[in-house]
Order: sequence, then C-alpha cells, then structure tokens
Amino acid sequence: DTAVSQTPKYLVTQMGNDKSIKCEQNLGHDTMYWYKQDSKKFLKIMFSYNNKELIINETVPNRFSPKSPDKAHLNLHINSLELGDSAVYFCASSQDLTSGGPLGETQYFGPGTRLLVL
Amino acid sequence: AQTVTQSQPEMSVQEAETVTLSCTYDTSESDYYLFWYKQPPSRQMILVIRQEAYKQQNATENRFSVNFQKAAKSFSLKISDSQLGDAAMYFCAYRRAGGKLIFGQGTELSVKP
Repeated sequence: DTAVSQTPKYLVTQMGNDKSIKCEQNLGHDTMYWYKQDSKKFLKIMFSYNNKELIINETVPNRFSPKSPDKAHLNLHINSLELGDSAVYFCASSQDLTSGGPLGETQYFGPGTRLLVL
Repeated sequence: AQTVTQSQPEMSVQEAETVTLSCTYDTSESDYYLFWYKQPPSRQMILVIRQEAYKQQNATENRFSVNFQKAAKSFSLKISDSQLGDAAMYFCAYRRAGGKLIFGQGTELSVKP
C-alpha cells in the first residue's frame, strides 16, 4: 500500500549516459513534483505537473525532461549525465494544486532515488 | 521572493527531554501554509506537522507541536519527550496557496540516550 513510489532507489552510471527515474502515486492526487536534494541536503523543486500538464518548470538544464503519461505517473529523463547531476531526486504528490486548502497543499514524498554519476 | 531560514544547523537533546527547532520565513502573502518534514537516515521525507496561516491555534500532533507567530514570521517545532527515533534532519517548509514548496536548510537533530 505504498503511497508514492520511485524506481530505482539507487542509480550509478557513467558521465554522458541517459537515464530515467520513474514515479507512481496511488493516492488519487492530481499534482506531482520532482525535487533535487544536493550534497548539502538542500531541497529544491524542479518540475510540477497537474493532471498531466506542466505547471512549474524551474531553471533546470534542458537535459532534464519530465514526462507524465497519466496523472498517477511522473517520470524524469536525464540526457548526457554530468558529475553535478549526482544527488537524491524525490518525487512528491499533492491532492490538487488548484483546489487549495490544507489537504490540497500538503505534499507527500517518495523514498528518493540516489543518483551517482561517475 | 519567499525565503525560509533555519538558523540551527545542528541540535542535540537528551532522551525524554524537550527540544525546540527554530524556523523563520519571509513573505508578503496572507494565505499560506507551513510544514515540518522529518528526514531520517533512510532519507524518506515524512510530514510531521502542518499549520495553516489563517488559523491562530497552534497545530499539535502527539509529541510534536508548533509555536506559530504570524506577525514575527516564526514557526518553531517543539518535540516533547524526545525519543531515539526522533533523530533525523528536520526541514521547515513554506508554501503560499497554489505556489511551490520552499524548504529551509534543515536542522540535524541528534538524541542522546
């Protein structure tokens, strides 16, 4: 009965490779997010999708491309991986960005994917 | 731009004692939400407590409570009867209604037996 799940949990790869991280939520939420946590544990939002539509796109290199096949899934594809991409990537979801209220505004996080680029 | 500041990079508490983690934020909005998340060594981000800015009453969840001072833009977390399992990184976060979630730098809490 996992709420927000991510695969894989660990990803070790060589510089220049392309990789994807998958995220799924079974909470019935309409909005999903990707966050990056750097080596100093600072968390910053990268993207947000509401019902398959991109609504937040922070200043992130074009090598990062999110894809939402349906509102329960939000995948992150990274092209031409660089050393600086090494981090923990978190997926999150919330009920509905547009309806607001405490339930709509609360985000629930996946377990994170630790990416190491060598 | 909204910012969230946690001025204590590390805190320590004796088991069964009480500890307070500080958080201040800067915003010109009136409708917003504040959160405390816990990140144990497993790295899972766990919601601890939530406060709506329009509520004057401080939120409580079992041993966790907040001191929300809206005028001072302060949102501290009090952990009572600290347990070994409370040891983790704690993040304060702010979100204006419909906006993005902004995190503080985190406070690493250690619990001494």
